Order: sequence, then C-alpha cells, then structure tokens
Amino acid sequence: DVVMTQTPPSLSVAIGQSVSISCKSSQSLVYSDGKTYLHWLLQSPGRSPKRLIYQVSNLGSGVPDRFSGTGSQKDFTLKISRVEAEDLGVYYCAQTTHFPPTFGGGTKLELK
Amino acid sequence: EVQLKESGPGLVQPSQTLSLTCTVSGFSLTDYSVHWVRQPPGKGLEWMGVMWSGGSTAYNSALKSRLSISRDTSKSQVFLKMNSLQTEDTAIYYCTRVVYWGQGVMVTVSS
Repeated sequence: DVVMTQTPPSLSVAIGQSVSISCKSSQSLVYSDGKTYLHWLLQSPGRSPKRLIYQVSNLGSGVPDRFSGTGSQKDFTLKISRVEAEDLGVYYCAQTTHFPPTFGGGTKLELK
Repeated sequence: EVQLKESGPGLVQPSQTLSLTCTVSGFSLTDYSVHWVRQPPGKGLEWMGVMWSGGSTAYNSALKSRLSISRDTSKSQVFLKMNSLQTEDTAIYYCTRVVYWGQGVMVTVSS
C-alpha cells in the first residue's frame, strides 16, 4: 500500500497567520491517465471529514481561496493563507491513484 | 441535495458480526461508487472497501477475510457486514462518496 506521510503532526497558529502542511507519498501519485489523484480533507472537531482540494490543486465547491494545494509526483503541500477560526481541525491528505486508497496520519491545526 | 446516512447498532459484542446500512439520497448508486471508511477514537482514517457503481466491490486486504459490502439499488442502500469483531474494531464508521460524507456511526465492541 502507498504510505502517506504528513508533517508536522500538529501546528499551533494565530488567527491571520499562514501555514503549510506537507504530505509525501511512498510512490508517485501520477496515474496512467496523467492525472494526480492527491486530495486534501479537513475534519473539524466532532464533524465528518470534508473534501477541500482534489487532484493536488483544485478547490472543492465552496472552499475559500485562502486554501491552495501544490506539488507533484510524491511531494505535496497544502497552504492556508490568513487562517480563520473555522479552519481549525485535522487535515488529511489522501491518495486514490493506487489501490487501496490511503490517508496520511493527519495534521492537527490548533489555535495558539 | 446529496446525502449519506449511516445506521446500525452502537454496541457489538466481541466475536459477533457488525451490520451497517448507508442510505443515500440525491444520487443513484448505479451512477456513483460508495466507500466505507472508519476512524478509531482519536486516530486517523482507514479505507475499508467500496461498492462500485457497476455493482462490483473491492476491499482493504487487511479486512477482506471479514468484510462484505452489498447494496440494494431500489432502496438506495449500501450494506457493510464485518464478522469476528474485536475491541480494535471500535471506531466511527463512515460511508462516503469522497466529496460527500455521512455523519458517521460510532460502533463500540465490548462485552
């Protein structure tokens, strides 16, 4: 299975700060169709996960543009510009290029 | 509006079988696949398996021997059955269409 490694495991931020979360995969996530199926999810406290970004850099419906995703092959980054209170929770990267789908261990974003 | 909702027992005894139902609305099971994902308390997400839109299934190899996923398209329901439950199977179980997630159902394995 593809191992997804997220760093850091937790982040303490002040409202208005910008933060980045890294996600590295054990194999290239480029599929045979040329697309890269790397996604980012946010699980707010007590809630189900919500998809934020799909295929590395595409924002999901209704997701603010202070979220951005970059990367390629095996190395990916989620950046949140000007963190707001509603952004707090656990962020997961996930890959669906290879079977089975796998998730990173999560990065907990907390208020400083 | 797309919705998924899990239902099932909150408590299962060790060695028994877990049966969960995911009832969907706003889309057809013949058009979209539905996955099952679980999350032990305070831990991360584990993909369990999928009911593809065409009716076939695929499972996490670690669970394959204990897991079965089926569906009733007329009722817009996807079913999960997992046998030989142990305490480490205690988790929130989600059904998801990747973009959309159910609220989850907490399952505790305990005598």
